[in-house]
Amino acid sequence: EIVMTQSPATLSVSPGERATLSCRASQSVSSSLAWYQQKPGQAPRLLIYGASTRATGIPARFSGSGSGTEFTLTISSLQSEDFAVYYCQQYNNWPPWTFGQGTKVEIK
Amino acid sequence: QVQLVESGGGVVQPGGSLTLSCVASGFSFSTFGMHWVRQAPGKGLEWVALIRYDGSKMYHADSVRGRFTISRDNPKNTLYLQMVSLREEDTGVYYCANNRGYSDYWGQGTLVTVSS
Repeated sequence: EIVMTQSPATLSVSPGERATLSCRASQSVSSSLAWYQQKPGQAPRLLIYGASTRATGIPARFSGSGSGTEFTLTISSLQSEDFAVYYCQQYNNWPPWTFGQGTKVEIK
Repeated sequence: QVQLVESGGGVVQPGGSLTLSCVASGFSFSTFGMHWVRQAPGKGLEWVALIRYDGSKMYHADSVRGRFTISRDNPKNTLYLQMVSLREEDTGVYYCANNRGYSDYWGQGTLVTVSS
C-alpha cells in the first residue's frame, strides 16, 4: 500500500498571501496525484488531477506540481473561501486508493 | 447537473447491519466505476470500496473486507454498500464518488453511527 504523507498538518496564512502544501508518496505514483479541498460539512471538491491539471471551474490561483514521490499544491493569493482542509490522493497503484491525512489552511 | 444522493445512514448497535444507497443522475452512471469513501468524525478520508462500471469486479479495503459488500444496479442508476457486523470504528460519513482514478463527482454523504 502506498502511504501518502502531507505537511504541514496546519498552515496559518494571512489573506492575500501564498500557501504551499506538500504531499509525499512512499513510492513513485508517477503523475497520478489529485488534490481535493474540503470545507466543514461538505463533500471533498476536486481541485487538481494528473498532479498539475486544474479541474473544471477551479480558479487559476490553484496550481499543482511534482511527479514521482514529491508534490506541491500552491495557492498563489489566499482568498477567504480558500480556508479549508486539503487532501492529496494517489491513483497510480490500487487498490487501495490512498489519501494523505490532510493539511488544514487556517487564517493567521 | 450531476447529482449523487446517498441515503440509508443512521444509528446502529455494534454487530448490526445497514445498507447504504447512492442514486446518480446527470451523467452516464453505467460507464463509470464507483467508489465508497468514508470519513470518521474529525478525521481524514478513507477509501472503502470500488466497483467497476459493469459490476464485474469489486475491491474492498482490508478494514472492511468480509463485512462490507459494494454492488450496483445500472438500470436504476444506483450504487449500494451492504454493511454487516458493524463496529464502532465504522462510524462516519460515507460518500459515494465516481472513478476516473480521481473523483470529480461526490455525493453529500450519509452519516453512519455505530454505538450501543
